[in-house]
Amino acid sequence: DTEVTQTPKHLVMGMTNKKSLKCEQHMGHRAMYWYKQKAKKPPELMFVYSYEKLSINESVPSRFSPECPNSSLLNLHLHALQPEDSALYLCASSQDFSSAGELFFGEGSRLTVL
Amino acid sequence: GESVGLHLPTLSVQEGDNSIINCAYSNSASDYFIWYKQESGKGPQFIIDIRSNMDKRQGQRVTVLLNKTVKHLSLQIAATQPGDSAVYFCAETPGGGYNKLIFGAGTRLAVHP
Repeated sequence: DTEVTQTPKHLVMGMTNKKSLKCEQHMGHRAMYWYKQKAKKPPELMFVYSYEKLSINESVPSRFSPECPNSSLLNLHLHALQPEDSALYLCASSQDFSSAGELFFGEGSRLTVL
Repeated sequence: GESVGLHLPTLSVQEGDNSIINCAYSNSASDYFIWYKQESGKGPQFIIDIRSNMDKRQGQRVTVLLNKTVKHLSLQIAATQPGDSAVYFCAETPGGGYNKLIFGAGTRLAVHP
């Protein structure tokens, strides 16, 4: 299994809602990532988890709250988002974070904030 | 800050021609480079990678060239096909022992029959 699975594929939420994005991989990878991608722009790194611990937070606002319940799962909890947070949220995984290597990406969750 | 950029935002080619997509990077400490293809509505898909101790690497119909002297990366696609139409991103890991991948701006490749 060489897939990274993201749910939901599409999400529409209001600014007062609380929702979560989910990501799962079964490749035995020990590093997992969240990227944000706006239209016609490159993916921008948000968070990195290594061995289920948060290693990097790229100064992301606290209305985005990541969670790594186990080595296969990565969540992104969303609360009090703004319309400018509408974007494609990409999850990725890699063998580990301490050596350079391919990131495997999911198909993304497209978020619309009304 | 450090950045990875591309010379051409859009590249149009005829089917069957060879395509060359270029990328400039500014961090001389970067030790790993990777090309991704992203089709509309999908996540980035790995094409080919290269480490800084190499200057050329070939895959199936694709070749990546790395020129560390001028900090330049290119992706060559042979016999371009309509299915190659997508946005192509170069990305780099800026050294330091961490797999923190930073993406360049992207080039859209349009293949015409």
